[in-house]
Order: sequence, then structure tokens, then C-alpha cells
Amino acid sequence: DIQMTQSPSTLSASVGDRVTITCRASQSVSTWLAWYQQKPGKAPKLLIYTASSLQSGVPSRFSGSGSGTEFTLTISSLQPDDFATYYCQQYNPYSPSSTFGQGTKVEIK
Amino acid sequence: EVQLVESGGGLLQPGGSLRLSCAASGLTFSNQWMHWVRQAPGKGLVWLARIHPDGTATSSADSVKGRLTISRDNARNTLYLQMNSLRVEDTAVYYCARGRELRFPMESWGQGTLVTVSS
Repeated sequence: DIQMTQSPSTLSASVGDRVTITCRASQSVSTWLAWYQQKPGKAPKLLIYTASSLQSGVPSRFSGSGSGTEFTLTISSLQPDDFATYYCQQYNPYSPSSTFGQGTKVEIK
Repeated sequence: EVQLVESGGGLLQPGGSLRLSCAASGLTFSNQWMHWVRQAPGKGLVWLARIHPDGTATSSADSVKGRLTISRDNARNTLYLQMNSLRVEDTAVYYCARGRELRFPMESWGQGTLVTVSS
């Protein structure tokens, strides 16, 4: 199975900060990489797909980049609604399984 | 509006079985790839299984292979998850999710159903 590793596990930031989260794959997933946001007690919400495509309705302060084994999610100016846990996921259609990273919690500094 | 509603969770005994359902509305269910994902209390997301729109192909995570069966009834717009030989570590919120195609991630999720495995 492809392993996904996120860093950091926890991130403390202030409103207005630029925030970057990294996700590394144990082998190439091309650009079959998605990012989700999850708030406590809620289902995950899709933010980014194919590594850099913004899901409809998601604010443009969210962006994704990368290919192969290294990916980043950037929030250009952190807003109060953005304090949440973020997960990357590889969904390579040529692989028999999909995998999530362990999550990155964005906390208020 | 797309709605996915899971049901069937509750308190179950170790060694027992669970059958969860996910009722879909607001979409053409028979065109969707469907997935099950779980989340243990305070832990991260774990992908469990997926099923082709016509139900002919499935795949599942190695961690549950042999204990888990994913199936669907397109006439009833419903997805199912059956898991046997339950363990305490199967305690989690179980989510169903859909993707418009295999090359697209999970764009709609249910609210989840809590399964607690305990004696």
C-alpha cells in the first residue's frame, strides 16, 4: 500500500497568517492527490483534487501544488473558519487502494 | 442537493457482525463510485473500500480484507457495508462517500454512523 505522511501534525497560527501543510507519498501518485478539511463532529469536505484543482465553492485562499511524491496545501491568509484538521489522500485509480495522511490540525496561536 | 444518509450503527459485541446502509438521494446513484471510510475516536480517516457504479468490481484495504464486504443496490439507491469478526478496534464513525468517477476523489459524504464494539 502507498503510505501518506503529513507534516506537521499540529500547526499553531494566527488569523491572516500564510499556512503551508506538506504531504509526502511513499511512491509516486502522479497528481492523484486530494485535500480535505474536517471540523469536529463533521464529515470531511473536499477542498482540492488532482493536486491543484480547487473544488467548486471553496475559497480561493486555498491552493494546492505538487506531483509525484511531494505535495503542499497552502492557505494564503488564514481565516477564523479555517481552524480545522486537514487530510491529504492519494486516490490513484491504477492502485487497488486509497490512503489518507494522518492529518494536520491547524490551531489558534 | 446530494444527500447520503448512513444507518445501522450502534453497540455491537466483539466477534459479531455489522451491516451498515447508506441511502443516496439527489444524484444518479448508479453512475457513482461509492466508498466507505471510517474514523476511530480522536483518530484520522481510514479508507476501507470502494465499489464500481454497477457493482461488478470492488476493492478494500488490506487491514480489513476478508472481513469486509461492500455491495450496492442501484434499484434502491443504497450502499451497504458488511463486516464480520468485529474487534474492539473497529469502533469508529463510519462514513459513506461518493465520487463521480474513479479518477475523482470523494466529493460528497454522509454524516457518519457510530459503531461501538464492546462487551
